[in-house]
Amino acid sequence: QSVLTQPPSASGTPGQRVTISCSGSRSNIGSNTVNWYQQFPGTAPKPLIYSNNQRPSGVPDRFSGSKSGTSASLAISGLQSEDEADYYCATWDDSLNGPLFGGGTKLTVL
Amino acid sequence: QVQLVQSGAEVKKPGASVRLSCKASGYTFNSYFIQWVRQAPGQGLEWMGIINPSGGSTNYAQRFQDRVTMTRDTSTSTVYLELSSLRSEDTAVYYCTRSNVAATGRFDYWGQGTLVTVSS
Repeated sequence: QSVLTQPPSASGTPGQRVTISCSGSRSNIGSNTVNWYQQFPGTAPKPLIYSNNQRPSGVPDRFSGSKSGTSASLAISGLQSEDEADYYCATWDDSLNGPLFGGGTKLTVL
Repeated sequence: QVQLVQSGAEVKKPGASVRLSCKASGYTFNSYFIQWVRQAPGQGLEWMGIINPSGGSTNYAQRFQDRVTMTRDTSTSTVYLELSSLRSEDTAVYYCTRSNVAATGRFDYWGQGTLVTVSS
């Protein structure tokens, strides 16, 4: 069981805005920046958001991240069919002295 | 361009050891940490440990402390992961990743992954 809690699934229709939450604690999200990864079946995770709300070059601005207290969120606006994937949050945990991943959220585009 | 190229799939019997490689290119090898992350079939991501190519220091996740060894060869810009006493639960895809600092959840490049299957 992951210490970072994500909903196992999320869904939306094309064009909609969806958000995926990531809940942690003071020792992880509360003290460190949050990163998000997108993973398609059979491929390696791809960096999507780093330092809470920064996008690597090449990531569309439809993807945005935010953090408040011990929780973080990934928002996807103008949902497209190609956004159907698994999404993971990740951060450093001061108590564990290592990085933590959320359990992942499977996004379905209806 | 930055690349992390991993070795091919492995099939091992329970109790055996496996050694995976991750060859880095396109950047200064000693300037970035390499961290290993694994993913069991249908499951999430799990951090295993980190190696600093500059000096070779390591830090392993507690649950793998007694079974994992990470090493590097600076002459070939290659990092190795060895996992011993394999059990069926170690069946997973193993990824090497790159990070610019040690204490982070940000991994900016990933290898393509190596599938390790543990089966009798």
